[in-house]
Amino acid sequence: GEDVEQSLFLSVREGDSSVINCTYTDSSSTYLYWYKQEPGAGLQLLTYIFSNMDMKQDQRLTVLLNKKDKHLSLRIADTQTGDSAIYFCAESISFKTIFGAGTRLFVKA
Amino acid sequence: DTGVSQDPRHKITKRGQNVTFRCDPISEHNRLYWYRQTLGQGPEFLTYFQNEAQLEKSRLLSDRFSAERPKGSFSTLEIQRTEQGDSAMYLCASSLAGQKNTEAFFGQGTRLTVV
Repeated sequence: GEDVEQSLFLSVREGDSSVINCTYTDSSSTYLYWYKQEPGAGLQLLTYIFSNMDMKQDQRLTVLLNKKDKHLSLRIADTQTGDSAIYFCAESISFKTIFGAGTRLFVKA
Repeated sequence: DTGVSQDPRHKITKRGQNVTFRCDPISEHNRLYWYRQTLGQGPEFLTYFQNEAQLEKSRLLSDRFSAERPKGSFSTLEIQRTEQGDSAMYLCASSLAGQKNTEAFFGQGTRLTVV
């Protein structure tokens, strides 16, 4: 089946690293994504990783993929108050994207 | 290009009324998707078009819902006889598929409230 699971909340202090975890069930995923959604706004694609990669780094963002365990993580270095948002893990299967329920990140000043 | 645009941004309607939403994708994108997002959940796939052809519909899309993309550009999503359970954010996305593929770009959504 198609299912993406992620924890609902994460709270960190400004300047610390945030790590948001996700597990997915469909091993046929080609791409895995991290989207950011701020209140009242649409979805913003933060980064993505192709399923044959283990890691991708993009400035403050590091994505790790463990394909054997179907586990994806997003690390945000030096987390800022502007990073407070909901982060969605998603996998692409054929033509559609399956989303998790989102992790709400709170950044304390 | 300004990205995917959706209209209206907000819609409040009485139960039983019909509503129609519009999505204008990124101009060269041949695929267009509709998703629904309820409070506290991630977006759920509803349907998608390749050019003007509607190729897949989710079981979430009851027969009160109809989507069209008549000329392969903009799309409309109509909900007939709205119910309170239809209250949600309706998101449209577009992508390019073919020789060159892109990820899906999302619009800001239409928030529907059925009272």
